[in-house]
Amino acid sequence: SAVISQKPSRDICQRGTSLTIQCQVDSQVTMMFWYRQQPGQSLTLIATANQGSEATYESGFVIDKFPISRPNLTFSTLTVSNMSPEDSSIYLCSVTGGHVDPNTEAFFGQGTRLTVV
Amino acid sequence: GENVEQHPSTLSVQEGDSAVIKCTYSDSASNYFPWYKQELGKRPQLIIDIRSNVGEKKDQRIAVTLNKTAKHFSLHITETQPEDSAVYFCAAKGYNFNKFYFGSGTKLNVKP
Repeated sequence: SAVISQKPSRDICQRGTSLTIQCQVDSQVTMMFWYRQQPGQSLTLIATANQGSEATYESGFVIDKFPISRPNLTFSTLTVSNMSPEDSSIYLCSVTGGHVDPNTEAFFGQGTRLTVV
Repeated sequence: GENVEQHPSTLSVQEGDSAVIKCTYSDSASNYFPWYKQELGKRPQLIIDIRSNVGEKKDQRIAVTLNKTAKHFSLHITETQPEDSAVYFCAAKGYNFNKFYFGSGTKLNVKP
């Protein structure tokens, strides 16, 4: 299994500012993903973080709003840019697959609870 | 892309009864179907999974069934206990893109 450290665990931010969330994994993993979970709702995939190339975004999410970095196989960041109250949510990092076999379960970070005021 | 639908959205059962949660998926290429349990304020945790070459899998009080032809899979919890109370999510993973798509979740309440 993979151990994921995500930080910050929570933050309260002013509208118009940006927040960068970090995700560190204790082993090399093939796939890293970022999800958003509104209170009481399901997990919505934002993007797949690709190592060494631009992230792949899902419909409704764009790079200017959610820039993502993945400099290596154990680390990724998600930035929520120019925040508005509608961005208040829990953001979760997820990984799947060891470096050898990508066909395994998804593991999740503990999440970042973001409140925009 | 994949579309996963989950029912019911809430489920209330008496302790000791069984609970069944159902999901359907749209992409016939999906080949891996995990179930996650999320307790309040915590991260989702895998409880059981099934691959497309298997029709049923059981782990103690929890079982999952898969019907590939109909593109639906179900979670069965027997002898429910109050600690089973949580939100349960089904998911489907595609073969080509390795992305997980989640159902809308079922809030299970087990009454003592």
